[in-house]
Amino acid sequence: QKEVEQNSGPLSVPEGAIASLNCTYSDRGSQSFFWYRQYSGKSPELIMFIYSNGDKEDGRFTAQLNKASQYVSLLIRDSQPSDSATYLCAVNRGSNYKLTFGKGTLLTVNP
Amino acid sequence: DVKVTQSSRYLVKRTGEKVFLECVQDMDHENMFWYRQDPGLGLRLIYFSYDVKMKEKGDIPEGYSVSREKKERFSLILESASTNQTSMYLCATMGRSYEQYFGPGTRLTVT
Repeated sequence: QKEVEQNSGPLSVPEGAIASLNCTYSDRGSQSFFWYRQYSGKSPELIMFIYSNGDKEDGRFTAQLNKASQYVSLLIRDSQPSDSATYLCAVNRGSNYKLTFGKGTLLTVNP
Repeated sequence: DVKVTQSSRYLVKRTGEKVFLECVQDMDHENMFWYRQDPGLGLRLIYFSYDVKMKEKGDIPEGYSVSREKKERFSLILESASTNQTSMYLCATMGRSYEQYFGPGTRLTVT
């Protein structure tokens, strides 16, 4: 069974801090990695995706990928209370259409 | 921007009723998906479609069917609704980089 694991949290950080969200995956054939944000009662919203080892930055968000360790993370700089949400990690094998989702990490940013 | 719409935000049906959930996208994407999301269980794939009239079962297809007669429209059908199908239903489309875009979701309650 191909799995994506995330710490369910809650992860609590003070406003202005860096929030670090982590995800591990079991399928070594995974090629594409995605981060989604989901507010309570709403649908998931794509934040960013990454394919290559290393870092990818988009505004306050940085995705980090280490395929050797089967690990992908999302850093949120200057965290704001509006970042409080559940963050979902998803991976794709590349040869099919399906995404495998983790169950998400609940992030709370305290003012 | 990708736009995915779903026919209802909230729906209440009785046990045994036939239920239709509709999803429409405006991005000419070939791949469309239906998920359900339940607390503690995460996102689970019900069915997906990679072309008009083409469909594949996901991880939990039992009790559901789908229809895709036009590229932009993907319908989920609950043949005979049961209380264990009370859930949030999410439609998604897939872009060129395997990223998925979600509709707003339909919260279905079966009584």
